[in-house]
Amino acid sequence: SQTIHQWPATLVQPVGSPLSLECTVEGTSNPNLYWYRQAAGRGLQLLFYSVGIGQISSEVPQNLSASRPQDRQFILSSKKLLLSDSGFYLCAWSPIWMGTEAFFGQGTRLTVV
Amino acid sequence: KQEVTQIPAALSVPEGENLVLNCSFTDSAIYNLQWFRQDPGKGLTSLLLIQSSQREQTSGRLNASLDKSSGRSTLYIAASQPGDSATYLCAVTRGAGGTSYGKLTFGQGTILTVHP
Repeated sequence: SQTIHQWPATLVQPVGSPLSLECTVEGTSNPNLYWYRQAAGRGLQLLFYSVGIGQISSEVPQNLSASRPQDRQFILSSKKLLLSDSGFYLCAWSPIWMGTEAFFGQGTRLTVV
Repeated sequence: KQEVTQIPAALSVPEGENLVLNCSFTDSAIYNLQWFRQDPGKGLTSLLLIQSSQREQTSGRLNASLDKSSGRSTLYIAASQPGDSATYLCAVTRGAGGTSYGKLTFGQGTILTVHP
Protein backbone atom coordinates (compact mmCIF):
# COMPACT_ATOMS: atom_id res chain seq x y z
CA SER A 1 0.00 0.00 0.00
CA GLN A 2 1.02 3.59 -0.52
CA THR A 3 2.07 5.85 2.32
CA ILE A 4 3.15 9.46 2.53
CA HIS A 5 5.55 10.79 5.13
CA GLN A 6 6.03 14.42 6.00
CA TRP A 7 8.39 15.93 8.53
CA PRO A 8 8.88 17.65 10.85
CA ALA A 9 5.43 17.77 12.45
CA THR A 10 6.05 21.14 14.07
CA LEU A 11 8.65 23.81 13.54
CA VAL A 12 9.33 27.18 15.13
CA GLN A 13 11.75 29.32 13.18
CA PRO A 14 12.94 32.92 13.52
CA VAL A 15 12.32 35.46 10.79
CA GLY A 16 15.10 35.39 8.23
CA SER A 17 16.10 31.80 8.85
CA PRO A 18 16.06 29.10 6.14
CA LEU A 19 13.42 26.39 5.80
CA SER A 20 13.39 22.86 4.53
CA LEU A 21 10.33 20.61 4.74
CA GLU A 22 10.51 17.12 3.32
CA CYS A 23 7.89 14.76 1.97
CA THR A 24 8.33 11.23 0.68
CA VAL A 25 5.89 8.77 -0.83
CA GLU A 26 6.24 5.01 -0.64
CA GLY A 27 4.57 2.22 -2.58
CA THR A 28 4.06 3.99 -5.89
CA SER A 29 6.11 5.39 -8.72
CA ASN A 30 5.99 8.61 -10.71
CA PRO A 31 3.30 10.24 -8.59
CA ASN A 32 2.08 13.80 -8.98
CA LEU A 33 3.24 15.68 -5.89
CA TYR A 34 1.82 18.81 -4.29
CA TRP A 35 2.50 21.33 -1.54
CA TYR A 36 -0.52 23.09 0.00
CA ARG A 37 -0.67 25.69 2.75
CA GLN A 38 -3.49 26.21 5.20
CA ALA A 39 -3.22 29.62 6.84
CA ALA A 40 -5.28 30.57 9.88
CA GLY A 41 -8.81 31.46 8.84
CA ARG A 42 -8.16 30.60 5.23
CA GLY A 43 -8.71 27.54 3.12
CA LEU A 44 -6.11 25.26 1.64
CA GLN A 45 -4.08 26.89 -1.11
CA LEU A 46 -1.96 25.05 -3.66
CA LEU A 47 1.62 26.31 -3.63
CA PHE A 48 3.53 23.95 -5.93
CA TYR A 49 2.95 20.82 -7.92
CA SER A 50 5.27 18.45 -9.72
CA VAL A 51 4.59 15.87 -12.43
CA GLY A 52 8.13 14.48 -12.51
CA ILE A 53 11.70 14.75 -11.26
CA GLY A 54 12.94 18.31 -11.61
CA GLN A 55 9.55 19.53 -12.92
CA ILE A 56 8.11 22.13 -10.57
CA SER A 57 5.22 24.51 -11.19
CA SER A 58 4.38 27.37 -8.86
CA GLU A 59 0.80 28.42 -8.33
CA VAL A 60 1.31 31.63 -6.40
CA PRO A 61 4.18 34.12 -6.13
CA GLN A 62 5.84 33.76 -2.78
CA ASN A 63 8.93 33.49 -0.69
CA LEU A 64 9.07 29.71 -1.03
CA SER A 65 10.50 27.26 -3.54
CA ALA A 66 10.11 23.56 -4.15
CA SER A 67 12.32 20.83 -5.52
CA ARG A 68 11.91 17.19 -6.51
CA PRO A 69 15.35 15.59 -6.47
CA GLN A 70 13.98 12.03 -6.60
CA ASP A 71 10.83 10.48 -7.98
CA ARG A 72 9.09 10.19 -4.62
CA GLN A 73 10.68 13.07 -2.72
CA PHE A 74 9.34 16.61 -2.60
CA ILE A 75 11.02 19.42 -0.67
CA LEU A 76 9.69 22.83 0.27
CA SER A 77 12.32 25.47 0.98
CA SER A 78 12.93 29.07 1.78
CA LYS A 79 16.15 31.03 2.03
CA LYS A 80 14.71 33.61 4.44
CA LEU A 81 11.44 33.09 6.25
CA LEU A 82 8.87 35.84 6.69
CA LEU A 83 6.24 36.11 9.40
CA SER A 84 3.62 35.59 6.70
CA ASP A 85 5.06 32.15 5.94
CA SER A 86 3.52 30.80 9.15
CA GLY A 87 0.88 28.19 8.55
CA PHE A 88 0.09 24.52 8.21
CA TYR A 89 1.87 22.92 5.26
CA LEU A 90 0.52 19.77 3.69
CA CYS A 91 2.16 17.51 1.16
CA ALA A 92 -0.04 15.40 -1.08
CA TRP A 93 0.27 12.90 -3.90
CA SER A 94 -1.96 11.46 -6.58
CA PRO A 95 -1.41 8.89 -9.32
CA ILE A 96 -0.47 10.35 -12.68
CA TRP A 97 -3.62 9.18 -14.41
CA MET A 98 -6.64 11.42 -14.11
CA GLY A 99 -9.71 10.89 -12.01
CA THR A 100 -8.02 9.47 -8.96
CA GLU A 101 -7.88 10.45 -5.33
CA ALA A 102 -5.37 12.74 -3.72
CA PHE A 103 -3.75 11.58 -0.48
CA PHE A 104 -2.32 13.89 2.13
CA GLY A 105 0.44 13.75 4.69
CA GLN A 106 -0.01 14.67 8.33
CA GLY A 107 1.20 18.23 7.85
CA THR A 108 3.84 20.51 9.32
CA ARG A 109 2.84 23.35 11.62
CA LEU A 110 5.31 26.18 10.90
CA THR A 111 5.45 29.19 13.20
CA VAL A 112 7.76 32.01 12.22
CA VAL A 113 8.66 34.22 15.18
CA LYS B 1 -11.39 31.22 -11.59
CA GLN B 2 -12.92 28.31 -9.71
CA GLU B 3 -14.42 29.14 -6.32
CA VAL B 4 -15.69 26.56 -3.86
CA THR B 5 -18.09 27.45 -1.06
CA GLN B 6 -19.20 25.29 1.84
CA ILE B 7 -22.30 25.85 3.90
CA PRO B 8 -22.72 25.92 6.83
CA ALA B 9 -19.37 27.08 8.19
CA ALA B 10 -20.12 25.30 11.47
CA LEU B 11 -22.71 22.81 12.62
CA SER B 12 -23.47 21.40 16.06
CA VAL B 13 -25.86 18.46 16.37
CA PRO B 14 -26.82 15.87 18.98
CA GLU B 15 -25.66 12.33 18.51
CA GLY B 16 -27.83 10.21 16.24
CA GLU B 17 -28.98 12.95 13.91
CA ASN B 18 -28.72 12.68 10.15
CA LEU B 19 -27.05 15.70 8.63
CA VAL B 20 -26.17 17.28 5.31
CA LEU B 21 -23.13 19.34 4.42
CA ASN B 22 -23.22 21.45 1.29
CA CYS B 23 -20.56 22.35 -1.25
CA SER B 24 -20.96 24.54 -4.33
CA PHE B 25 -18.51 25.43 -7.09
CA THR B 26 -18.64 28.13 -9.73
CA ASP B 27 -17.10 26.35 -12.73
CA SER B 28 -18.84 23.12 -13.69
CA ALA B 29 -15.88 21.99 -15.82
CA ILE B 30 -14.47 19.80 -13.08
CA TYR B 31 -12.82 16.40 -13.36
CA ASN B 32 -13.91 15.10 -9.99
CA LEU B 33 -14.91 16.17 -6.50
CA GLN B 34 -13.45 14.84 -3.30
CA TRP B 35 -14.66 15.07 0.30
CA PHE B 36 -12.07 15.10 3.08
CA ARG B 37 -12.09 15.00 6.84
CA GLN B 38 -9.56 16.94 8.91
CA ASP B 39 -9.10 16.43 12.63
CA PRO B 40 -7.55 19.35 14.60
CA GLY B 41 -3.87 19.74 13.80
CA LYS B 42 -3.87 16.76 11.46
CA GLY B 43 -3.69 16.11 7.76
CA LEU B 44 -6.59 15.35 5.45
CA THR B 45 -8.26 11.97 5.22
CA SER B 46 -10.03 11.22 1.96
CA LEU B 47 -13.65 10.17 2.51
CA LEU B 48 -15.23 9.95 -0.92
CA LEU B 49 -14.28 10.67 -4.51
CA ILE B 50 -16.96 11.35 -7.12
CA GLN B 51 -16.06 11.42 -10.78
CA SER B 52 -17.71 14.12 -12.88
CA SER B 53 -19.70 11.44 -14.68
CA GLN B 54 -21.09 10.01 -11.43
CA ARG B 55 -24.07 11.12 -9.39
CA GLU B 56 -23.16 9.71 -5.99
CA GLN B 57 -20.81 7.61 -3.94
CA THR B 58 -21.39 5.79 -0.67
CA SER B 59 -19.07 4.58 2.06
CA GLY B 60 -20.61 3.26 5.24
CA ARG B 61 -22.70 6.01 6.85
CA LEU B 62 -21.49 8.56 4.30
CA ASN B 63 -23.16 9.38 1.01
CA ALA B 64 -21.97 12.09 -1.35
CA SER B 65 -23.92 13.35 -4.33
CA LEU B 66 -22.84 15.48 -7.24
CA ASP B 67 -24.87 17.67 -9.56
CA LYS B 68 -22.22 19.02 -11.89
CA SER B 69 -24.57 21.11 -14.01
CA SER B 70 -25.75 23.11 -11.01
CA GLY B 71 -22.33 23.14 -9.36
CA ARG B 72 -23.37 21.41 -6.16
CA SER B 73 -22.41 18.49 -3.99
CA THR B 74 -23.77 17.28 -0.68
CA LEU B 75 -22.29 15.02 1.95
CA TYR B 76 -24.89 13.13 3.92
CA ILE B 77 -23.87 11.63 7.26
CA ALA B 78 -26.32 9.16 8.74
CA ALA B 79 -26.72 8.51 12.47
CA SER B 80 -23.98 10.92 13.49
CA GLN B 81 -21.58 10.00 16.31
CA PRO B 82 -19.25 12.08 18.50
CA GLY B 83 -16.34 10.55 16.60
CA ASP B 84 -17.60 12.28 13.46
CA SER B 85 -16.63 15.64 14.97
CA ALA B 86 -14.08 17.21 12.61
CA THR B 87 -13.76 19.71 9.79
CA TYR B 88 -15.13 18.47 6.48
CA LEU B 89 -13.65 19.85 3.30
CA CYS B 90 -14.74 19.49 -0.27
CA ALA B 91 -12.37 20.01 -3.17
CA VAL B 92 -12.70 19.94 -6.94
CA THR B 93 -10.08 18.98 -9.45
CA ARG B 94 -9.60 21.99 -11.63
CA GLY B 95 -10.58 22.04 -15.21
CA ALA B 96 -11.08 19.00 -17.35
CA GLY B 97 -8.62 16.92 -19.22
CA GLY B 98 -4.95 16.23 -18.75
CA THR B 99 -3.78 19.75 -18.04
CA SER B 100 -5.32 19.95 -14.59
CA TYR B 101 -2.69 17.58 -13.13
CA GLY B 102 -4.98 16.77 -10.24
CA LYS B 103 -4.73 20.22 -8.71
CA LEU B 104 -7.41 20.78 -6.09
CA THR B 105 -9.44 23.86 -5.24
CA PHE B 106 -10.80 23.68 -1.70
CA GLY B 107 -13.75 25.11 0.12
CA GLN B 108 -13.30 26.69 3.54
CA GLY B 109 -14.74 23.67 5.29
CA THR B 110 -17.59 22.91 7.67
CA ILE B 111 -16.70 22.42 11.33
CA LEU B 112 -18.92 19.64 12.65
CA THR B 113 -19.48 18.99 16.33
CA VAL B 114 -21.56 16.00 17.38
CA HIS B 115 -22.32 16.08 21.10
CA PRO B 116 -23.42 13.06 23.16
